[in-house]
Amino acid sequence: DSGVTQTPKHLITATGQRVTLRCSPRSGDLSVYWYQQSLDQGLQFLIQYYNGEERAKGNILERFSAQQFPDLHSELNLSSLELGDSALYFCASSLGTSGRALHEQYFGPGTRLTVT
Amino acid sequence: GQNIDQPTEMTATEGAIVQINCTYQTSGFNGLFWYQQHAGEAPTFLSYNVLDGLEEKGRFSSFLSRSKGYSYLLLKELQMKDSASYLCAVRDNYGQNFVFGPGTRLSVLP
Repeated sequence: DSGVTQTPKHLITATGQRVTLRCSPRSGDLSVYWYQQSLDQGLQFLIQYYNGEERAKGNILERFSAQQFPDLHSELNLSSLELGDSALYFCASSLGTSGRALHEQYFGPGTRLTVT
Repeated sequence: GQNIDQPTEMTATEGAIVQINCTYQTSGFNGLFWYQQHAGEAPTFLSYNVLDGLEEKGRFSSFLSRSKGYSYLLLKELQMKDSASYLCAVRDNYGQNFVFGPGTRLSVLP
């Protein structure tokens, strides 16, 4: 158990819908990261927040957005869903923003999203 | 562009040593790291290199050569539980983006 929690574990929804994925980082960790993992594209970095502010952006679509709240939990919002958005979405957390504190990321168990 | 290459699959025998290579071409460099991912599970952090050289951590070691855009992960005294995918990733120093390789699926045979 990494100490990072994600809800829900599974989500099935229809095309065009909007969903929200939730992540609670490990106690004391200030950085939260979101990743998407699909069979054909591997693990893709989406976005990073540090202490409530956006710190880095990866291959995140405009239909997707995220935020980190004052209690440090984070939400990833996916809208106008398409079949291709079906994937495993991981959240990870780390203590800091540089050096080993940044890169020693702890991953949550993931949310499996299926768009039908 | 951003590109990371790793072998797709490798097979080794229990108790042996295996080296998984990773080559990268990215927009700047701000560290390379390795993750282990068992099927159906989340990735687990293994190692982080930002300077050239070898970092050792128990049975696992990771090496980096920035001038060659090259890293390897060395696993010693292989155990059956080491059967997993190993992901190489680089963080660039412009957008602070993480770029992941496709992963190397390692099978450890008895």
